[in-house]
Amino acid sequence: RKEVEQDPGPFNVPEGATVAFNCTYSNSASQSFFWYRQDCRKEPKLLMSVYSSGNEDGRFTAQLNRASQYISLLIRDSKLSDSATYLCVVNNQAGTALIFGKGTTLSVSS
Amino acid sequence: NAGVTQTPKFRILKIGQSMTLQCAQDMNHNYMYWYRQDPGMGLKLIYYSVGAGITDKGEVPNGYNVSRSTTEDFPLRLELAAPSQTSVYFCASSYSHGGAGNEQFFGPGTRLTVL
Repeated sequence: RKEVEQDPGPFNVPEGATVAFNCTYSNSASQSFFWYRQDCRKEPKLLMSVYSSGNEDGRFTAQLNRASQYISLLIRDSKLSDSATYLCVVNNQAGTALIFGKGTTLSVSS
Repeated sequence: NAGVTQTPKFRILKIGQSMTLQCAQDMNHNYMYWYRQDPGMGLKLIYYSVGAGITDKGEVPNGYNVSRSTTEDFPLRLELAAPSQTSVYFCASSYSHGGAGNEQFFGPGTRLTVL
């Protein structure tokens, strides 16, 4: 299994849709989990951390399933401005660095 | 705060030339990182530093060197540039490695082309 694997995408959805991204990771000892957002030709920016109990930030909900080594991101009521690439990020086995997935591209249309 | 800054934004090199990519942060973060991102690929860690005077290799260090003489600066040196080093280079910093505070903040990137 790759260290961090994401849905390949792209996801093309209309405004107002609900969309979910999935991610699996290989290191069962990982302790830190994040979703980053990267706009075209820009740097990645932290969208949200992912906690064991799950967490919500407005229209965004992140879930973690340690048993299945699975992370998800749910976006409700999609906006045009949500169009971007979403990166699943997990810390490495030594805990010294973050491993980035290749990303899933979302395109929201009117 | 300016956050993480990188210079230059763009650069074209000829094969065999060398250059230094500059990175600075003003958040007093101990941890700094260099990544490269090839089209359609994830970020690959080149080198990282846990504090001034301490650096370590990441996943793809060959062809690069780094130094960390101050907390603020973390330059990346390319010696003998090769076409395979054509990429977008991102510098990042974080307060810690693990647990709370290990979110990484990225600079705007340097787009490098080697011809």
